[in-house]
Amino acid sequence: KAGVTQTPRYLIKTRGQQVTLSCSPISGHRSVSWYQQTPGQGLQFLFEYFSETQRNKGNFPGRFSGRQFSNSRSEMNVSTLELGDSALYLCASSLDRDNSPLHFGNGTRLTVT
Amino acid sequence: EDQVTQSPEALRLQEGESSSLNCSYTVSGLRGLFWYRQDPGKGPEFLFTLYSAGEEKEKERLKATLTKKESFLHITAPKPEDSATYLCAPLGNFGNEKLTFGTGTRLTIIP
Repeated sequence: KAGVTQTPRYLIKTRGQQVTLSCSPISGHRSVSWYQQTPGQGLQFLFEYFSETQRNKGNFPGRFSGRQFSNSRSEMNVSTLELGDSALYLCASSLDRDNSPLHFGNGTRLTVT
Repeated sequence: EDQVTQSPEALRLQEGESSSLNCSYTVSGLRGLFWYRQDPGKGPEFLFTLYSAGEEKEKERLKATLTKKESFLHITAPKPEDSATYLCAPLGNFGNEKLTFGTGTRLTIIP
């Protein structure tokens, strides 16, 4: 079974630009979550989607947004990039069962210059 | 708000030297806990789910235990390939829909 796939693996953008990251979940997984990982803050929850609906949102500004498509694939968008947005962005998928574990992709490394 | 603390931040062990990593938390409605392993440049890899106090799970040289306020990951006779960052995330009121992760313990096993 294929794992969670994230594209692209690396991105370099300049301040003020916007970026879109993509995530394909494990087949049969309908929940997709996004996390930001930085050396100082660790893994921070961004948002979670199920059946094309955002169910939960973390404490990030409105510049961070996402969506989920009918095939469970998901995208997240960051507008008006800031230097502090440089991070590893991780997508995870899970079965829609409360306690089922998240399965992570290898992330997109975003560098903002 | 859920809080998770992992200690130590970093740990260096000789190959074969056993030790334990700690994950302590303040979580509303604790329903269990996840342990993950993360290698540099990769996403976290799922290791264990623990559902109730007193439960133990084992995988190769790793054994995870759970109490109401903390979890331990015991590493017995580690090998260099066990070097990684180990992360924990308790399951609270939101279940797996919104996890709070600890900042991890960076484990280095020296041959």
